[in-house]
Amino acid sequence: AQSVTQLDSQVPVFEEAPVELRCNYSSSVSVYLFWYVQYPNQGLQLLLKYLSGSTLVESINGFEAEFNKSQTSFHLRKPSVHISDTAEYFCAVSSMNTGFQKLVFGTGTRLLVSP
Amino acid sequence: EAGVAQSPRYKIIEKRQSVAFWCNPISGHATLYWYQQILGQGPKLLIQFQNNGVVDDSQLPKDRFSAERLKGVDSTLKIQPAKLEDSAVYLCASSPVGTSGNYEQFFGPGTRLTVL
Repeated sequence: AQSVTQLDSQVPVFEEAPVELRCNYSSSVSVYLFWYVQYPNQGLQLLLKYLSGSTLVESINGFEAEFNKSQTSFHLRKPSVHISDTAEYFCAVSSMNTGFQKLVFGTGTRLLVSP
Repeated sequence: EAGVAQSPRYKIIEKRQSVAFWCNPISGHATLYWYQQILGQGPKLLIQFQNNGVVDDSQLPKDRFSAERLKGVDSTLKIQPAKLEDSAVYLCASSPVGTSGNYEQFFGPGTRLTVL
């Protein structure tokens, strides 16, 4: 079985500052890794995913995440955040055996961007 | 393309009452999921349908929760009777189906249930 740990429940940051949201996972098999974003009163949206190949993956709005197999981590980073990035971010994992269908989510990190 | 629709968006009931949630997936998506998201936790899968058949309901509390997907399109999730610990956001998601199983899940806005 897989599990995900997001140690930070809330991360406050000032606009234009860099941010890192931490995610660690546990699995006995190879995995796919995901970051989802949930804006207030909206459903989850896929931000980016790691399937294979390059360990650094990027989203269209400036976020990036790096898969580190030795540290079993998939931290999310952005060099300069905007007010509009305020949202809850969920890290998720699925095993390669089950594909994208069996997602296990972390508890989420609320990113609060202030002026 | 329209997204996943859910209704109602909010529901407040008293414990021991019944409640039902409705989900309309993206057109053509064969796989439908219901998740429970308790405050402070990540979404947890309750049940997964492929067309109108159940693929996985191992985490559905079957003594009080039931779900159906008639005709392989819309789905309803029912709780009867509700308990205080059922207070949560209930998310519906859908995805296409294929042999690899590697298709993104698209989520609806959720229904926020408060049980008093």
